[in-house]
Amino acid sequence: AQTVTQSQPEMSVQEAETVTLSCTYDTSENNYYLFWYKQPPSRQMILVIRQEAYKQQNATENRFSVNFQKAAKSFSLKISDSQLGDTAMYFCAFMRYSGAGSYQLTFGKGTKLSVIP
Amino acid sequence: DADVTQTPRNRITKTGKRIMLECSQTKGHDRMYWYRQDPGLGLRLIYYSFDVKDINKGEISDGYSVSRQAQAKFSLSLESAIPNQTALYFCATSEGVRGGYEQYFGPGTRLTVT
Repeated sequence: AQTVTQSQPEMSVQEAETVTLSCTYDTSENNYYLFWYKQPPSRQMILVIRQEAYKQQNATENRFSVNFQKAAKSFSLKISDSQLGDTAMYFCAFMRYSGAGSYQLTFGKGTKLSVIP
Repeated sequence: DADVTQTPRNRITKTGKRIMLECSQTKGHDRMYWYRQDPGLGLRLIYYSFDVKDINKGEISDGYSVSRQAQAKFSLSLESAIPNQTALYFCATSEGVRGGYEQYFGPGTRLTVT
């Protein structure tokens, strides 16, 4: 079974600064997807960014980027120029690409990020 | 209008009662999922369905059942609710192999069992 670990239960960052959220995962698969989801106080789950394991290039979406280290099974999220609206729970998630259990999401326990004015 | 809707948004019920949570989607996706979120535990998969005739158990299916009434509708039932089923429940959809893999979540249903 796949496991996803987020070692930082809570973090804080000053507005306009940069913060990095950590995520490690355990799998024997070679093909998979990784995601970061954001859950603001409204509780809606919002996709922030995704990474295909076969792509070496790190994904980027505006102020959000990842550092994907496949050999180390690490998938960290960097938020640049933090904004108050970034305050939320952030979940790292793994999706198996093929075989039994494919296309199911396995989530980490989340990191609560607070952006301080 | 929201693509994935859940009803009710909030529900308080008593131990032993039967309750149904409903999910509807207008995205035309084949795949639908039910997750449960508990504080400090992230989201865990309860059941999933890849089409109307396909139902599969997830990580924590005990005490739950589902019904896929149509491509657009996927309901979660608690036959006899118990307090440790108090949680936030999410429905999600995805397009499937031919279209992609991203899951789209509904707004969630907060269920309290007293």
